[in-house]
Amino acid sequence: EAGVTQFPSHSVIEKGQTVTLRCDPISGHDNLYWYRRVMGKEIKFLLHFVKESKQDESGMPNNRFLAERTGGTYSTLKVQPAELEDSGVYFCASSQVQRGISYNEQFFGPGTRLTVL
Amino acid sequence: AQSVTQLDSHVSVSEGTPVLLRCNYSSSYSPSLFWYVQHPNKGLQLLLKYTSAATLVKGINGFEAEFKKSETSFHLTKPSAHMSDAAEYFCVVRPTMIYNQGGKLIFGQGTELSVKP
Repeated sequence: EAGVTQFPSHSVIEKGQTVTLRCDPISGHDNLYWYRRVMGKEIKFLLHFVKESKQDESGMPNNRFLAERTGGTYSTLKVQPAELEDSGVYFCASSQVQRGISYNEQFFGPGTRLTVL
Repeated sequence: AQSVTQLDSHVSVSEGTPVLLRCNYSSSYSPSLFWYVQHPNKGLQLLLKYTSAATLVKGINGFEAEFKKSETSFHLTKPSAHMSDAAEYFCVVRPTMIYNQGGKLIFGQGTELSVKP
């Protein structure tokens, strides 16, 4: 069974440009999460999808970040325009929903390392 | 608010000696606690989890952790380190159902484990 995949693995862009990160969850996983680790800091939650709906987006830093999950399969996270402080590693995770409860193990992708110059 | 603190940013041990990675949590209610590991260029992998069953939790690769409510600790141990254990380890708490926060994870700062031959 394929795990969570993320694309690209690395991205280097200049301040002011736009970048789109993609996450493909494990097939059949309705929950999809985005997390971010900024250099020297802990991994922090960004948002949570259940299928195509945003369940919790309390961790999104500002309106330069836009996450979508059309059709409830893969998700994209767009940063526009990118700023220096957006540099870090962006992780995606997915998990199953069982009996309506979203509290099962989260499976993580390898992350996308974003560098903003 | 729930939080988790990893007491050491870096731990170095010799191969064959015991491993101790320390973690303290803050929670008003009985938490769900996890340890994840990240090897270089790989995704985060679940080592073990505590969800209010047995206080001594056994995980993969010979790791275990003990939940101590009186000390608010969830330290990770292994009797004998192997070179392949070198990685970064994360102690993680999941907000309880009472807060209905949809399963997002709260991470500690991470502990880098080095294993010397």
